[in-house]
Amino acid sequence: AQSVTQLDSQVPVFEEAPVELRCNYSSSVSVYLFWYVQYPNQGLQLLLKYLSGSTLVKGINGFEAEFNKSQTSFHLRKPSVHISDTAEYFCAVSGLGSARQLTFGSGTQLTVLP
Amino acid sequence: ETGVTQSPTHLIKTRGQQVTLRCSSQSGHNTVSWYQQALGQGPQFIFQYYREEENGRGNFPPRFSGLQFPNYSSELNVNALELDDSALYLCASSPTGVANTEAFFGQGTRLTVV
Repeated sequence: AQSVTQLDSQVPVFEEAPVELRCNYSSSVSVYLFWYVQYPNQGLQLLLKYLSGSTLVKGINGFEAEFNKSQTSFHLRKPSVHISDTAEYFCAVSGLGSARQLTFGSGTQLTVLP
Repeated sequence: ETGVTQSPTHLIKTRGQQVTLRCSSQSGHNTVSWYQQALGQGPQFIFQYYREEENGRGNFPPRFSGLQFPNYSSELNVNALELDDSALYLCASSPTGVANTEAFFGQGTRLTVV
């Protein structure tokens, strides 16, 4: 079984500032890792995923994340945020044998302030 | 290529009633998963269907049941509705193959139980 902890429920940040959304996971097996974004009253959109290989993963909209196996973390970063990045962000994990069955964290609300 | 579509978008039911939610998977995707997202929380995995068979289930009672049809569309049925069943229900479809780990989400059905 896996679990995901998103350490910050809300992150306010000013426009054009950098941001980091933190995610830690727990699993007894190797995992795939994901970040999804959810805009109000919408479904989830995949930002990026880590399957294997390079620990630095680049995604859409200028986001990137780094997989750290020793710290069991998968933090999401963006060097300069825009108002349009305001949304709920979810970190998720799945076991390699059940790759499409996702365990999500509780989410981080990113609010970009003008 | 059409995406994942869910119907209805909103639904109000009375406690004790039964409800059926529908999902049309993305073209070529033979795996469908259902998630429950309560207000302010991350999505929780309900179950997954692969080629019309249940292929994994989360920690939900038997009154949550599902079907997948030969065209890979799916239904989620919930019997004896409880107030705590009020949530956004998300359907996600995935393509075949172990390497294809991305789940594509629909917009969700907002269920309110009164």
